[in-house]
Amino acid sequence: KAGVTQTPRYLIKTRGQQVTLSCSPISGHRSVSWYQQTPGQGLQFLFEYFSETQRNKGNFPGRFSGRQFSNSRSEMNVSTLELGDSALYLCASSLAGQTYEQYFGPGTRLTVT
Amino acid sequence: GENVEQHPSTLSVQEGDSAVIKCTYSDSASNYFPWYKQELGKRPQLIIDIRSNVGEKKDQRIAVTLNKTAKHFSLHITETQPEDSAVYFCAASGYSGGGADGLTFGKGTHLIIQP
Repeated sequence: KAGVTQTPRYLIKTRGQQVTLSCSPISGHRSVSWYQQTPGQGLQFLFEYFSETQRNKGNFPGRFSGRQFSNSRSEMNVSTLELGDSALYLCASSLAGQTYEQYFGPGTRLTVT
Repeated sequence: GENVEQHPSTLSVQEGDSAVIKCTYSDSASNYFPWYKQELGKRPQLIIDIRSNVGEKKDQRIAVTLNKTAKHFSLHITETQPEDSAVYFCAASGYSGGGADGLTFGKGTHLIIQP
């Protein structure tokens, strides 16, 4: 099976702009979770989507949002970008949720200037 | 919410020796504990996981132990090899409301295998 894919791999944006990141899960996986990875805060959970519904949400402001399509592909959106949003954004797919094996994509490296 | 502490932050061992990384968690309702390996510039890779109804799990040179009473779990790597050098993350999945929360990760352990 093909692994988890994410696009784009690298992105440079300016403060105040918005950005959309995409994640395609492993075929047959219905759960997609998003994580932010930074040197200071480590890996932090953003949210999880399952069957097109947000099932869990971490402690991030409302500027971070997402959605999932009927084919399980997911997008994440960050509005009004801040310098502190610079990070590696990882998505992970699993068969059915947080207590199942999660497989990560390669990530999108977002730089906000 | 769940809180996961991981120690040590850096671990240097001689090739062929064993390495042990320890994590503690706070939410007694957590029941799934995966370990990930992340090499520089690469994605986190699931290497082993354990559920709360099991005390130990092995996969070749890697083993994980879980002590539910003390709320801690450990990763053991035996006969370490240069390719084991990486950052290792522990994680726990807690519960709130009606379902499982997202994974809460430890801060990571940089494992260095000295030749």
